[in-house]
Amino acid sequence: AQSVTQLDSQVPVFEEAPVELRCNYSSSVSVYLFWYVQYPNQGLQLLLKYLSGSTLVKGINGFEAEFNKSQTSFHLRKPSVHISDTAEYFCAVIGGYQKVTFGIGTKLQVIP
Amino acid sequence: EAGVTQFPSHSVIEKGQTVTLRCDPISGHDNLYWYRRVMGKEIKFLLHFVKESKQDESGMPNNRFLAERTGGTYSTLKVQPAELEDSGVYFCASSQDTAASPLHFGNGTRLTVT
Repeated sequence: AQSVTQLDSQVPVFEEAPVELRCNYSSSVSVYLFWYVQYPNQGLQLLLKYLSGSTLVKGINGFEAEFNKSQTSFHLRKPSVHISDTAEYFCAVIGGYQKVTFGIGTKLQVIP
Repeated sequence: EAGVTQFPSHSVIEKGQTVTLRCDPISGHDNLYWYRRVMGKEIKFLLHFVKESKQDESGMPNNRFLAERTGGTYSTLKVQPAELEDSGVYFCASSQDTAASPLHFGNGTRLTVT
């Protein structure tokens, strides 16, 4: 079985400030890790993914995430947020054959 | 390429009625998934098709839910009869045939059962 924990349900941050959205996972097998973003009234879009290799992965819109196997974490970061980054962010893991498990989501609110 | 499309975008029905949700995946994607998000909770897996076959339907809540994917193209998810707790956003996603392929999501169908 696999699970994903997103520790923060809401994260308010001022515009141009850095942000980190936390994600921890558990799985009995090797995993692939993803971050998705959902803007209001839209579907989920892929931000970035970790499959193998370098533990620091870069995604769209200036986001990056670091895979830490010892801490079973995959935190998402951005050095300077914009108003347009206001959205809900989901961490996800694939362990078994293409069965994706999502976290509960973190709402990022960027304050002008 | 066209993305994953879902229809309708919103549906409001009364308890006991029937609703059918439709999903058109990206052309060529063998894998099709249904997920549901009840307000304030996590996105939960319902089932997974590989072409027209059900690969995994372990997430289907009960036998009031019926999913089909005739011909391995579009899929429908029928809820009959609907109950209040079925309200939520139903997402469809598709992917190519590799284990690490990311999911491409539709915009979802918001179902409200009154």
